[in-house]
Amino acid sequence: DGGITQSPKYLFRKEGQNVTLSCEQNLNHDAMYWYRQDPGQGLRLIYYSQIVNDFQKGDIAEGYSVSREKKESFPLTVTSAQKNPTAFYLCASSIDLSTGFSGEQYFGPGTRLTVT
Amino acid sequence: GESVGLHLPTLSVQEGDNSIINCAYSNSASDYFIWYKQESGKGPQFIIDIRSNMDKRQGQRVTVLLNKTVKHLSLQIAATQPGDSAVYFCAESSSYQKVTFGIGTKLQVIP
Repeated sequence: DGGITQSPKYLFRKEGQNVTLSCEQNLNHDAMYWYRQDPGQGLRLIYYSQIVNDFQKGDIAEGYSVSREKKESFPLTVTSAQKNPTAFYLCASSIDLSTGFSGEQYFGPGTRLTVT
Repeated sequence: GESVGLHLPTLSVQEGDNSIINCAYSNSASDYFIWYKQESGKGPQFIIDIRSNMDKRQGQRVTVLLNKTVKHLSLQIAATQPGDSAVYFCAESSSYQKVTFGIGTKLQVIP
């Protein structure tokens, strides 16, 4: 059963702590993406990766970091430098970057991060 | 469910009626448009897309209309069902570059 998974579904952290959100896909997709979703706003792109060991900043990369050591995995670290980290985080994947940017992205179920 | 539905425009529709969800876009250079559906607690799902050389495209129970003159996009859902209750996002891109998502509209289906 192919898909994209994110864990955990809910995550709570104290201010000043770094936290890493997991994203795994078994769809054999080359491209992966991280989005942030806030109430009253659309999805905003944090980082994306077209291939293993390569990734690009999106619109709101400040305070975040990623790695792409394996094709299946694209973890996102929310650092203490992120001013307003509480949000719903969505990971997505696509066959390649062009299909992803033409809309054919498969999304995970999301992780709700709350920082207090 | 998730709080992504807070502060969103909301459309309430009686079960069996048709729904029309509207979206205005700002970039006149956008040439590709997509509608996504996001159910509570889940990630968005692709519904239908349309290129700028088309005015209308139909899928199963859904129709997307594009009016480039006024930069307006709409999603029509025929015979709305309870399972259609979700947040619907329009998205736009230019030359298949990065997709920009709208804020979404919450559709509530009244049984």
